[in-house]
Amino acid sequence: KQEVTQIPAALSVPEGENLVLNCSFTDSAIYNLQWFRQDPGKGLTSLLLIQSSQREQTSGRLNASLDKSSGRSTLYIAASQPGDSATYLCAVRFNNAGNNRKLIWGLGTSLAVNP
Amino acid sequence: DGGITQSPKYLFRKEGQNVTLSCEQNLNHDAMYWYRQDPGQGLRLIYYSQIVNDFQKGDIAEGYSVSREKKESFPLTVTSAQKNPTAFYLCASSNWGQMNTEAFFGQGTRLTVV
Repeated sequence: KQEVTQIPAALSVPEGENLVLNCSFTDSAIYNLQWFRQDPGKGLTSLLLIQSSQREQTSGRLNASLDKSSGRSTLYIAASQPGDSATYLCAVRFNNAGNNRKLIWGLGTSLAVNP
Repeated sequence: DGGITQSPKYLFRKEGQNVTLSCEQNLNHDAMYWYRQDPGQGLRLIYYSQIVNDFQKGDIAEGYSVSREKKESFPLTVTSAQKNPTAFYLCASSNWGQMNTEAFFGQGTRLTVV
């Protein structure tokens, strides 16, 4: 069964820290992987999309890496700010026949950055 | 601005009623999706559509129905057959059959049974 796991489930850090969120997946045959942010009661905002042929993507203070062979992706947030507080979701498109465009979701990491 | 618009933001349903959630996109995406989000659970796929006039059941389609008469629109009807409809509903769209299938989401509709 193809699954996506995110660790930790919750994280609380002081402002200014660099931090890493982890996403692991059970099958290395992926099409792409996407990181999202969700604020309470809101929709999802796409942060970074990594294609299967890529090793990392960067946007501002965010950097996402992909290691297909080990089934892992990390989201690195530099110099965290209280405004980064949100739930971060990882979603993987596995490279299956037929339904290969479905996203498989992790449960998310709830991040709190304290002033 | 390009994006996905869901309406209404909040919706209340009485027992036995059907209600319809609206989702409109102006991103020219082929594919559209409906997800349900419950506390402590991952997003679960209800229905998806790859192209106009075609749609497929997701993992939890029972008690729901959809239509895709226009590329821009993918409304979701929560029928009286859905026994536990209270949840946060999210609509998304993406390209299909292309390298970049980045998914974009609306702001969600919170449905409550009263």
